[in-house]
Amino acid sequence: DTGVSQNPRHKITKRGQNVTFRCDPISEHNRLYWYRQTLGQGPEFLTYFQNEAQLEKSRLLSDRFSAERPKGSFSTLEIQRTEQGDSAMYLCASSLSRGLTYEQYFGPGTRLTVT
Amino acid sequence: GDSVTQMEGPVTLSEEAFLTINCTYTATGYPSLFWYVQYPGEGLQLLLKATKADDKGSNKGFEATYRKETTSFHLEKGSVQVSDSAVYFCALSDQKGDTGRRALTFGSGTRLQVQP
Repeated sequence: DTGVSQNPRHKITKRGQNVTFRCDPISEHNRLYWYRQTLGQGPEFLTYFQNEAQLEKSRLLSDRFSAERPKGSFSTLEIQRTEQGDSAMYLCASSLSRGLTYEQYFGPGTRLTVT
Repeated sequence: GDSVTQMEGPVTLSEEAFLTINCTYTATGYPSLFWYVQYPGEGLQLLLKATKADDKGSNKGFEATYRKETTSFHLEKGSVQVSDSAVYFCALSDQKGDTGRRALTFGSGTRLQVQP
């Protein structure tokens, strides 16, 4: 399978706990994006990497959130001290940084439920 | 900032009916425009795209034309099927500064329900 994969698919955690999600992009893609999607809404941009460099973070990405892409391949998104408002679907997408359209390919997402 | 506005759903149609889902956008630059589809229990899939004015994107019988003068990118299909039932998202990608991040800005989605 050469698509974008994300693990875990579902995570239930108690408020205050830390969680970490993983995204494996399409192998030749050098750009990786994280989005958050809440029920009934479209995805909202969180952050993106080109290779291992994190080039931009959205205002939605509070200090409790951190993302890494240590070798320019897979990426992790960590949420510290989770809050109920963090419950959402976390989506990862990847693309190439060339061409006109920069088409992004999405993974299946990690659904986080904070109780 | 950039924004995308879609018609609210759900849109309920009978099989073989004509579909239009309206999408308008606001962008500071010259964006690329996309329609993504999310089938029940699945991830977002790119349905079609257009990169410049008057471009028509098409795929699986769906079409959308990039209208710069009306800042619109309406999705159409001549004859819908039950299997088209899904949530449809309009999105734009605009170059930002020197980094050219091209992150997507999405609309809130429109749920389509097609009845046999």
